[in-house]
Amino acid sequence: AQKITQTQPGMFVQEKEAVTLDCTYDTSDPSYGLFWYKQPSSGEMIFLIYQGSYDQQNATEGRYSLNFQKARKSANLVISASQLGDSAMYFCAMRVDTGGGNKLTFGTGTQLKVEL
Amino acid sequence: ETGVTQTPRHLVMGMTNKKSLKCEQHLGHNAMYWYKQSAKKPLELMFVYNFKEQTENNSVPSRFSPECPNSSHLFLHLHTLQPEDSALYLCASSSRQGKKSGGARTDTQYFGPGTRLTVL
Repeated sequence: AQKITQTQPGMFVQEKEAVTLDCTYDTSDPSYGLFWYKQPSSGEMIFLIYQGSYDQQNATEGRYSLNFQKARKSANLVISASQLGDSAMYFCAMRVDTGGGNKLTFGTGTQLKVEL
Repeated sequence: ETGVTQTPRHLVMGMTNKKSLKCEQHLGHNAMYWYKQSAKKPLELMFVYNFKEQTENNSVPSRFSPECPNSSHLFLHLHTLQPEDSALYLCASSSRQGKKSGGARTDTQYFGPGTRLTVL
């Protein structure tokens, strides 16, 4: 069975600073994908970034980067130059590739608050 | 309209009512999903449809009845719900293919804004 663990229920960061949101995962499948989503108070889940288990380099998308450490089974999200609009819930999710299907397993999320 | 839309955004219903949630995707995808998000719990996958065929029912009670008339529309019919069914219901869509396209796989799931359901 797959499992995603996000150990930080809440995080605070000063505007313009960088912040790291932790995510560890557990799977015995060698082929998998890791996703981060942002959920503002409005409710919509916004896709941020994806990392494949065979990708050689860490994924980056604008101010978002994913610190992928395969041996440690961690996929931390780094947000650089935080903005007030980054305040939201952040979810880490995983999909394993064998067995077909496109089922995501989500973590419990981290509430990020960006302060002035 | 772009992306994934859901209506209504908010719904309050009694336990004896029948209501339906609607989801529409404008992304040309062929897979659609229903998720339930309860307070302080991870998102739970409820149903998956691929090319209008249901391929996943994650042990959801029969008081939730999905319908997928075509690849762009997904409904969730609700009847005789319980107060513990109060939650945010999220719809998502994706392609079936898992090829890389830019920074993400083409089967990345994109979500709608959700329907916040309250059962009295």
